[in-house]
This record gives sequence, C-alpha cells and structure tokens, in this order.
Amino acid sequence: GAVVSQHPSWVICKSGTSVKIECRSLDFQATTMFWYRQFPKQSLMLMATSNEGSKATYEQGVEKDKFLINHASLTLSTLTVTSAHPEDSSFYICSARGRTSGKTHNEQFFGPGTRLTVL
Amino acid sequence: GQNIDQPTEMTATEGAIVQINCTYQTSGFNGLFWYQQHAGEAPTFLSYNVLDGLEEKGRFSSFLSRSKGYSYLLLKELQMKDSASYLCAVRDSNYQLIWGAGTKLIIKP
Repeated sequence: GAVVSQHPSWVICKSGTSVKIECRSLDFQATTMFWYRQFPKQSLMLMATSNEGSKATYEQGVEKDKFLINHASLTLSTLTVTSAHPEDSSFYICSARGRTSGKTHNEQFFGPGTRLTVL
Repeated sequence: GQNIDQPTEMTATEGAIVQINCTYQTSGFNGLFWYQQHAGEAPTFLSYNVLDGLEEKGRFSSFLSRSKGYSYLLLKELQMKDSASYLCAVRDSNYQLIWGAGTKLIIKP
C-alpha cells in the first residue's frame, strides 16, 4: 500500500516552454503533497507544500508564478514549470502524506521522480 | 536555525555492520525518519522514531535519543544493494520535515 506515481518519469523540452508533472496517490488519500527538487549529488530541497483544496505554500526563494502547483483532489497534484530554462533542469520528486483506512500516516511516500532537461 | 548533520560518505564491507549517525537541532521535535535513496531514484522510507530507543526492522535498526538530539541507522549483514544514500529527516514543531544532506554509503566486496 501507499504507492505514489509520478508522470512523466523524464522529459526534455525547449527553453521557454512549459512542462506539467503529475503526482498521484494510488491507494490512499493524500491530504498533503510535497514537491521537491534535487540537483545532482545534493540533498532534497522542498519547493512547496500543498493541502488538498488549498493554495500551495512555497518555500523561500521558490517563485510561485514559475512553479504552479495544483492539488485539486485527494489523489492528484500537479506541478507546472512555466517558461522553463536550462537552470530549471533537475530531478523533481513529489511525495504525499495522508491516510489509509482512516489511519493517518507519519511518513511521506515518494513518487519515483521526474527528470527534467531543458535545452 | 535548524540543522541536521550526518557524515557525507562512509565505506563498509559486504557482510559487515555499519552505523550512520545523525545529529539534529530543530525547533521542536515530532519524529525522526530515515530514508534510503539509490542514485537517480526517489527516496524510500526505512524507519520512523518518535520515542527514545531502538526500532528494529529486519537488517535495519534505528535508534533515537531525544535528549541528545541524536539518532543512528544500523545496517547489518551488508549487501551490495545497500549501496545508496541514507537521508535523516526530522519533523519539527510545524510538522515540516527538515532534511539532512544524506550519507553516501559505499559497499565493497
């Protein structure tokens, strides 16, 4: 149980285009979803936290107009990188925390990640 | 400020035991997590400690001392597939996860 899927697993796009990444909780209700970015050989960097039905809370230094996050349902959150540039190339990972059969999770469950390359 | 410290890299031998330490200073404490991350993959959950003591799960054990702001992850009977980064994370008083930079564990035959 507690599986999180992410799509696409990798994407290559041209500079200036927008890319949407989907994150789904497959077998539990994700009341909170997190979006992380990870550059090579570096630790996870939290970009934003979103609760279902609410606006996302962005970490300091993360542009909310550039990284659009939508968490419209208990099983789906999307991250849209708008007007992507080469410096946005990174590994984007979503994670979710919620409940299964009424029991609230302590841990976050991670999706497999999306590797974005902007040319 | 909030801080999680863990060694950058460790090397161990297949079949041996290794202990990865983590010390933390956070605003409040609501649990400590260990995750495993293989290169190019997302983290996977290993363990959760919220009370002092040792939690054992197969070959992996995790220990917590809240008074010392200290935890360790113990890996026994090391296998080559255990080569990965191990991330320590603490949930603070706002229920935010504060992440360590990770410890890269290299297993040699």
